[in-house]
Amino acid sequence: LAKTTQPISMDSYEGQEVNITCSHNNIATNDYITWYQQFPSQGPRFIIQGYKTKVTNEVASLFIPADRKSSTLSLPRVSLSDTAVYYCLVGDNDGGFKTIFGAGTRLFVKA
Amino acid sequence: SQTIHQWPATLVQPVGSPLSLECTVEGTSNPNLYWYRQAAGRGLQLLFYSVGIGQISSEVPQNLSASRPQDRQFILSSKKLLLSDSGFYLCAWSGTGASSTDTQYFGPGTRLTVL
Repeated sequence: LAKTTQPISMDSYEGQEVNITCSHNNIATNDYITWYQQFPSQGPRFIIQGYKTKVTNEVASLFIPADRKSSTLSLPRVSLSDTAVYYCLVGDNDGGFKTIFGAGTRLFVKA
Repeated sequence: SQTIHQWPATLVQPVGSPLSLECTVEGTSNPNLYWYRQAAGRGLQLLFYSVGIGQISSEVPQNLSASRPQDRQFILSSKKLLLSDSGFYLCAWSGTGASSTDTQYFGPGTRLTVL
């Protein structure tokens, strides 16, 4: 099964760029990498998804090296409201519809 | 647009009592449906997923069960709750693509406390 490894927690200050790296050594050829954000007492919500190289949307960028064994979520100019848990998600090596959420990274943004 | 509902929002139940949590999706057909549990301060644990009516796959052996009586209805049940069943229960749906990383959309969750 594809597993992910992320830092348990990170601290940052408002206005800084935050980079959260996820390791996924067993990622399968057809798997995509997806990041979610979760606030307390809410369900996770989709942030960004990519397969290789770089993907950017209105809230984040995702950098994926050629070997795809890791990925980095980049949040530009974070604010206090970006304090949340961020999950890196990859598909199951066996295919199908099973998904594995890691423990996530707890980001705390300070004023 | 698609919406996902869960109820109840909070629930306090004694040990040994039954459980029924309901999840419904609107605005889409034949979704993949998921039940997750999240213990306090922990990540999400996939409990069940379903690719169609009556088709349930269990990820973790436990005293919980799931059913999908209708296309957009997913129910999580237990005959006898344990203290360890306490947690935040999340239902999610995704489109019927072949990739296991199709974007999942989560409901508001049910906070279950077993006393």
